[in-house]
Amino acid sequence: DGGITQSPKYLFRKEGQNVTLSCEQNLNHDAMYWYRQDPGQGLRLIYYSQIVNDFQKGDIAEGYSVSREKKESFPLTVTSAQKNPTAFYLCASSLWGPSGELFFGEGSRLTVL
Amino acid sequence: AQTVTQSQPEMSVQEAETVTLSCTYDTSESDYYLFWYKQPPSRQMILVIRQEAYKQQNATENRFSVNFQKAAKSFSLKISDSQLGDAAMYFCAYIEGNTGKLIFGQGTTLQVKP
Repeated sequence: DGGITQSPKYLFRKEGQNVTLSCEQNLNHDAMYWYRQDPGQGLRLIYYSQIVNDFQKGDIAEGYSVSREKKESFPLTVTSAQKNPTAFYLCASSLWGPSGELFFGEGSRLTVL
Repeated sequence: AQTVTQSQPEMSVQEAETVTLSCTYDTSESDYYLFWYKQPPSRQMILVIRQEAYKQQNATENRFSVNFQKAAKSFSLKISDSQLGDAAMYFCAYIEGNTGKLIFGQGTTLQVKP
């Protein structure tokens, strides 16, 4: 079935460690996105990519990095520079354009110990 | 910058009753899209309904409908015949036409009472 797969679902990290969250889609979508969700808050955009080998910062990109080497994949690295990384992370994809509906993965819960 | 505001952090409704969730937005664009997404306890985001700004007719999807007031920049979601499975967090969202970025409101948690 077509969809978006995020892994791992739960991840624990010690302070000072980098961690990479995986996001893979088989929907042949051009655009991919990473959002962060904190309790009681809406989704905030971290990074997005419209095409392969290109990506732009969202509203809260500091302490994060991404790559888009393949159309299907858009991994997110949470670096040690991210001051408050404990959160729920959602990956999404869409056909490019203003009418493109976003399809979401099931999310990854990152906890920093 | 475009903003989306949901002023109701929590709402509750009796099963089989109707409830309306509010959303306002701010934009200088003339053509855009608005969305309502549902996030149940599983946390999987699901598209509920979509409205194209240039269409005057309000979108409808089964028990879900919107009241789109373009001049007032208001986009409310009406859920009719509420069911227990409707209990979730609902997000209003606006898509930027030139970037394709989806901007979300803060969300409204809907409780459905049996």
